[in-house]
Amino acid sequence: AQSVSQHNHHVILSEAASLELGCNYSYGGTVNLFWYVQYPGQHLQLLLKYFSGDPLVKGIKGFEAEFIKSKFSFNLRKPSVQWSDTAEYFCAVNAADSWGKLQFGAGTQVVVTP
Amino acid sequence: DGGITQSPKYLFRKEGQNVTLSCEQNLNHDAMYWYRQDPGQGLRLIYYSHIVNDFQKGDIAEGYSVSREKKESFPLTVTSAQKNPTAFYLCASSFSGGPTDTQYFGPGTRLTVL
Repeated sequence: AQSVSQHNHHVILSEAASLELGCNYSYGGTVNLFWYVQYPGQHLQLLLKYFSGDPLVKGIKGFEAEFIKSKFSFNLRKPSVQWSDTAEYFCAVNAADSWGKLQFGAGTQVVVTP
Repeated sequence: DGGITQSPKYLFRKEGQNVTLSCEQNLNHDAMYWYRQDPGQGLRLIYYSHIVNDFQKGDIAEGYSVSREKKESFPLTVTSAQKNPTAFYLCASSFSGGPTDTQYFGPGTRLTVL
């Protein structure tokens, strides 16, 4: 069975700092990769996704993620965070032959201090 | 205003009682999903449905049941057989249930068993 591992459960950083959240998955086949975000009091929403093509994908609000197939990783990055980036971030993986069955990581709570 | 609605927002249940959580979408999506979110564990898939009158078990279906009689609705019943039902429940939908689909999430229902 596939699994998704997020390296950090909690991250605290100051505004303008760079953010990188790690995500690794265990599945040998073709995968589709997602990052979802849950802002305080809001619905879980898609940040970005990768399913083919350029392994560096850009999402909303200045986020990007890089798919490194050899490392089974899909790390999320933002060069300069804002207070409004305070949220919980979830990595999710979907094996290409499993239709919509997403496997989520445990999530990383990010707190950005002014 | 398109989206997914879940009701109620908070639900309290006595042990031994069944309870039904509502999920409605007006996005004209074929696929719908139920997830359970527990602290530190991310989201886990309970049931999913790609078409009316058809649904499949997810990773943690024991103690839960669903129906899909209408495209717009996918209610989840938490039965008394569910050993640890206190959790945050999220409903989602996607266009077709395909592996690259974005899933759109509702606001969630927090269930507490007293």
